[in-house]
Amino acid sequence: DAGVTQSPTHLIKTRGQQVTLRCSPISGHKSVSWYQQVLGQGPQFIFQYYEKEERGRGNFPDRFSARQFPNYSSELNVNALLLGDSALYLCASSLPQGAPSYEQYFGPGTRLTVT
Amino acid sequence: GESVGLHLPTLSVQEGDNSIINCAYSNSASDYFIWYKQESGKGPQFIIDIRSNMDKRQGQRVTVLLNKTVKHLSLQIAATQPGDSAVYFCAESLSNAGGTSYGKLTFGQGTILTVHP
Repeated sequence: DAGVTQSPTHLIKTRGQQVTLRCSPISGHKSVSWYQQVLGQGPQFIFQYYEKEERGRGNFPDRFSARQFPNYSSELNVNALLLGDSALYLCASSLPQGAPSYEQYFGPGTRLTVT
Repeated sequence: GESVGLHLPTLSVQEGDNSIINCAYSNSASDYFIWYKQESGKGPQFIIDIRSNMDKRQGQRVTVLLNKTVKHLSLQIAATQPGDSAVYFCAESLSNAGGTSYGKLTFGQGTILTVHP
């Protein structure tokens, strides 16, 4: 079975630009979460989506937005990029509510570099 | 805000030794805890989890211990192998009102485990 997939793998942008990152969850998973991982630190929660609705938001500015599509894939959009947005962006999917497992499965991430 | 921290940023062990990685958490309301392993260039990989109604849980070569009194979590790896070399993160979460799902994970800084052959 395919795991969580993310695209692109790497991305280089300049300050002020906008970026869209994509995530496909594991088949059957309806919840997708996004995390930002700065080098040398643990991942920081950005968003959680379940059934196309935002269910949680971390302490990130409004420049960060996301959405989930009917097929449960998701996009993370970041506007007006800053140098500090350079990080590994991780997507995680998990089983539907009420499932016996709460494990979040992470994708390989998208490495974003802002110059 | 809530945070999860680690006592030791690096740990070096010899192959075959047992490893213990520690973690302190600050949110006493958290009721779900997970250990992840992250290798260079990869996303975090689930190792083992434990709910707050348990003190200990065992997996294959790994054991997680939870001490709610002092808000401490530990990961024990038996017979550590070179393939265990990675960064290990603990994470905490809080279930919804019905206890049927968990949302955001709060991660600690991570411990770098190096296993020498």
